[in-house]
Amino acid sequence: EIVLTQSPGTLSLSPGERATLSCRASQSVSNYLAWYQQKPGQVPRLLIYDASNRATGIPARFSGSGSGTDFTLTISSLEPEDFAVYYCQHRSNWPPGWTFGQGTKVEI
Amino acid sequence: EVQVLESGGGLVQPGGSLRLSCAASGFSFGNYAMSWVRQAPGRGLEWVSGISSNGGNTYYADSVKGRFTVSRDNSKNTVYLQMNSLRAEDTAIYYCAKDRAYGEAFDYWGQGTLVTVSS
Repeated sequence: EIVLTQSPGTLSLSPGERATLSCRASQSVSNYLAWYQQKPGQVPRLLIYDASNRATGIPARFSGSGSGTDFTLTISSLEPEDFAVYYCQHRSNWPPGWTFGQGTKVEI
Repeated sequence: EVQVLESGGGLVQPGGSLRLSCAASGFSFGNYAMSWVRQAPGRGLEWVSGISSNGGNTYYADSVKGRFTVSRDNSKNTVYLQMNSLRAEDTAIYYCAKDRAYGEAFDYWGQGTLVTVSS
């Protein structure tokens, strides 16, 4: 079973700064990795799929990169609404199912 | 507009059962796989179960295998999660989520329904 490890656990930054979030897979997942944003009391929102493709309506300041075991979500310049928890996710063909990372909290 | 709406949550005693429903609209329901994802209070996201577009394939996390059953009725645009032998650790918000075009991610989520397992 593939394990996704996100780092850091918490990232303390100011508006306007660049945020770099990491997700490492225990074995290669090719580019089958997605990123989600979840604000307190809200539903998760898909940001990135297939490692680097922005979902519909996602601002260009969000970008994803990586392949194999190491992936990065970058927020180029933090807006006040970007302070949230971010999760990476992988779909496995065998055993079939989905795995989430434990999350990275981006705080002011 | 895509909408996903869960219902059926509530308070149940350990060992009890509950059936969640997820009604979807705004897309061709029968063409997409669906999943259930849960989030315990103050914790991260945990995938629970998934079902293929025609219902022929179902998938479960090890933590619920043998206790939960996922099903769907494409004529009603609804997916279900039958939860039996519930435990305190099943307490969570349960979200229903729609697979994206090729199943590579979940592009729409419902607002969730809270399940509390407690005596």
